[in-house]
Amino acid sequence: AQSVTQLDSQVPVFEEAPVELRCNYSSSVSVYLFWYVQYPNQGLQLLLKYLSGSTLVESINGFEAEFNKSQTSFHLRKPSVHISDTAEYFCAVSDRGNQGGKLIFGQGTELSVKP
Amino acid sequence: GAVVSQHPSRVICKSGTSVKIECRSLDFQATTMFWYRQFPKQSLMLMATSNEGSKATYEQGVEKDKFLINHASLTLSTLTVTSAHPEDSSFYICSARDQPTTGTQYFGPGTRLTVL
Repeated sequence: AQSVTQLDSQVPVFEEAPVELRCNYSSSVSVYLFWYVQYPNQGLQLLLKYLSGSTLVESINGFEAEFNKSQTSFHLRKPSVHISDTAEYFCAVSDRGNQGGKLIFGQGTELSVKP
Repeated sequence: GAVVSQHPSRVICKSGTSVKIECRSLDFQATTMFWYRQFPKQSLMLMATSNEGSKATYEQGVEKDKFLINHASLTLSTLTVTSAHPEDSSFYICSARDQPTTGTQYFGPGTRLTVL
């Protein structure tokens, strides 16, 4: 069984500051890793994913995450945040061996960007 | 690409009535769709996995007779909340998987159900 821990429930930052949202996972098998973003009263949008290859993955809006197998982490980073990045961010894993099965979500991190 | 829609976006109903929520993959075929429930300020809880042409697989603790799931085609899955009660009020979100080997799920915008 897999589990996901997002270490910070809330992260307040000022606009243009860097941010890191932490995610650690536990699994006995190889996994796929995902970050999703949820704006208020909306569904989840895929931000980025790690399936294989380069351990550093990037999104189109400046976020990046690095898969660290030894530390079982997939932290999300952005060097300079905008007000519009304010949202809830969810880290998730799925089991590779099960042909990409169920997603296991972390508890979520509320990113609040202040002017 | 990979757009998933849900209908309705918001529904208010009286206790005891049934409510149907539709989930559609608009630009891809989805052999597998998932239904989640989300309480305020909480993460998503997987309710069931829906495979086209077969019975849904429910997670432990989810009443299959209360939450009826039908996946009649490769682009449509429905969730019917039968005899709804106030404690069923929640945000229901569906997702669809585009390819079984990558595990990427694309989510609908969600349906806010309020049972009076």
